[in-house]
Amino acid sequence: FMLTQPHSVSASPGKTVTISCTRSSGSIASNYVQWYQQRPGSSPTTVIYEDNQRPSGVPDRFSGSIDSSSNSASLTISGLKTEDEADYYCQSYDSSNAIFGGGTKVTVL
Amino acid sequence: EVQLLESGGGLVQPGGSLRVSCAASGFTFHSYAMSWVRQAPGKGLEWVSVISGSGGSTYYADSVKGRFTISRDNSKDTLYLQMNSLRAEDTAVYYCAKTVRGSLYYFDYWGQGTLVTVSS
Repeated sequence: FMLTQPHSVSASPGKTVTISCTRSSGSIASNYVQWYQQRPGSSPTTVIYEDNQRPSGVPDRFSGSIDSSSNSASLTISGLKTEDEADYYCQSYDSSNAIFGGGTKVTVL
Repeated sequence: EVQLLESGGGLVQPGGSLRVSCAASGFTFHSYAMSWVRQAPGKGLEWVSVISGSGGSTYYADSVKGRFTISRDNSKDTLYLQMNSLRAEDTAVYYCAKTVRGSLYYFDYWGQGTLVTVSS
């Protein structure tokens, strides 16, 4: 299956952005979804794992959810800060592969 | 503190071989599966391979199957990726990633990456 993300989203500081990740086949609820942040010139870091779990140190401005009706997962960033400007990748898996979405660039206006 | 430090990247000719390494610290290495994920210049993330904590199980992306071999030395807390028959399209930054406990296919910590360039 494939995971499809929008190429880019943007918002002003303090606002909320939501990034979608749509699974092409099979149920989004079948396998956990993760979200990774990659700031320019840096390696990825994990902001959400197992659909909605935040690693320690990740602020609660970041939240994850899944929606079976649209077969998609979402990452929501509230109270947007300039430091949130980055590429964000969703990721899931099947029985023998990890699968990444194409990435979404978040721009803080 | 979990640390993952990759090394061994460099320039290699098409058809050549290279081995990259990832030295791990700050966690019980043998208890976790480990993966390699790569990122071509200006592109997104692509999963390459995973190895179980014991080293007894390995899985590969179709794009590298038969050419790359993942391995680990639990006595040295080190992960390896042996890359043979390299192609231009293998040019990428190679990241090692620690999996979340009990999983094979999702990650909580990433290294800083090592650049592999395949070019004549």
